[in-house]
Amino acid sequence: GNSVTQMEGPVTLSEEAFLTMNCTYTATGYPSLFWYVQYPGEGLQLLLKATKADDKGSNKGFEATYRKETTSFHLEKGSVQVSDSAVYFCALIRTSYGKLTFGQGTILTVHP
Amino acid sequence: NAGVTQTPKFQVLKTGQSMTLQCAQDMNHEYMSWYRQDPGMGLRLIHYSVGAGITDQGEVPNGYNVSRSTTEDFPLRLLSAAPSQTSVYFCASSTGTENTGELFFGEGSRLTVL
Repeated sequence: GNSVTQMEGPVTLSEEAFLTMNCTYTATGYPSLFWYVQYPGEGLQLLLKATKADDKGSNKGFEATYRKETTSFHLEKGSVQVSDSAVYFCALIRTSYGKLTFGQGTILTVHP
Repeated sequence: NAGVTQTPKFQVLKTGQSMTLQCAQDMNHEYMSWYRQDPGMGLRLIHYSVGAGITDQGEVPNGYNVSRSTTEDFPLRLLSAAPSQTSVYFCASSTGTENTGELFFGEGSRLTVL
């Protein structure tokens, strides 16, 4: 079946540090890949997506590239801010009708 | 814009009690779903619906019922609550009749079963 594996967390960084957050997946065919972000006390929000190999999704300074050869979709940001502190979820969808598979989430804490 | 609205935000139940988590969206989305979020396990799909009158099971449907009588509402019912159902529940919707992966989430309902 489909699965998503995220790096062990939590991740703690100082403001303006570089962020890499790992995500690898297992799926047949060509899934679409997503990063969702959950700020404290809120629901999840779509951060970025990529629908085919070598696509790069980007939003709010975050980027992730769909790497089919390594089955990865790592999230990066060049300079994190305190306001980026949240839980980040990597996810994939292989078919329609609700089959969105999430990773376990990675907590990011950014200190001033 | 209200988006996806869930009620209640917090609930404490005793084992064996029943309750309904409400979910409403005002975006005219055909697709709606319920997830539960547990520490270290991400989100898991409970049930989903691709339109009024149509529902189907996700990966963890046992102990939960749903119905979809209108496009706007998608309530989740716990018939006999168990401690294993202690979790945070999220309702999510999407445009169209299929899930493209781009979901709009409610703020969540935290349920504790004693």
